[in-house]
Amino acid sequence: DMKVTQMPRYLIKRMGENVLLECGQDMSHETMYWYRQDPGLGLQLIYISYDVDSNSEGDIPKGYRVSRKKREHFSLILDSAKTNQTSVYFCASSLLGDQNTLYFGAGTRLSVL
Amino acid sequence: AEKVIQVWSTASRQEGEELTLDCSYETSQVLYHLFWYKHLLSGEMVFLIRQTSSSTAKERSGRYSVVFQKSLKSISLIISALQPDDSGKYFCALWELAPGANTGKLTFGHGTILRVHP
Repeated sequence: DMKVTQMPRYLIKRMGENVLLECGQDMSHETMYWYRQDPGLGLQLIYISYDVDSNSEGDIPKGYRVSRKKREHFSLILDSAKTNQTSVYFCASSLLGDQNTLYFGAGTRLSVL
Repeated sequence: AEKVIQVWSTASRQEGEELTLDCSYETSQVLYHLFWYKHLLSGEMVFLIRQTSSSTAKERSGRYSVVFQKSLKSISLIISALQPDDSGKYFCALWELAPGANTGKLTFGHGTILRVHP
């Protein structure tokens, strides 16, 4: 059963706190992504990871960092969260040979107060 | 400039009707792919259908089909026989090779919220 799992599904943090969003996939996909979705906007790409320790900035990387120590896990870290980072965050994965078909997780709704 | 444009932010239909969601895009690539995704109320983003730029086939998947007008850089999603469960937010997305890279980038439109009434 191909799956992308995000934890937690909902998270409330205070401004200045650190945030860790976890993503796992069981498809051995090389490529993984973090997007954020805001009302009135499409999904915006934060970071791409092409494999373990091979990460690249997306369109809006400022304020975020990522970690990929195992192929099946991709973490998004917010050091000192800001209120404008309140959003829904989506993780996705794809096969290197079929990069244009993404499998998405269910999303994490983060509120930074 | 926006690369993927979905003009309608909301749409409303009755059960059993047919709906067309429009999407236009900008790209200088010869080979690219276009996708439609549905964002469920549960939070999941579900892949619906894909159109490759080099294909002239009219893509279809169950009640979903697309109208691809390459010269106009337009792709429409058609959902037939609408059901209340079709309610959700629909995203159009463009995949193209990132400049100077051998990997692709997926750019999403802003989405269209659909409400299907029983």
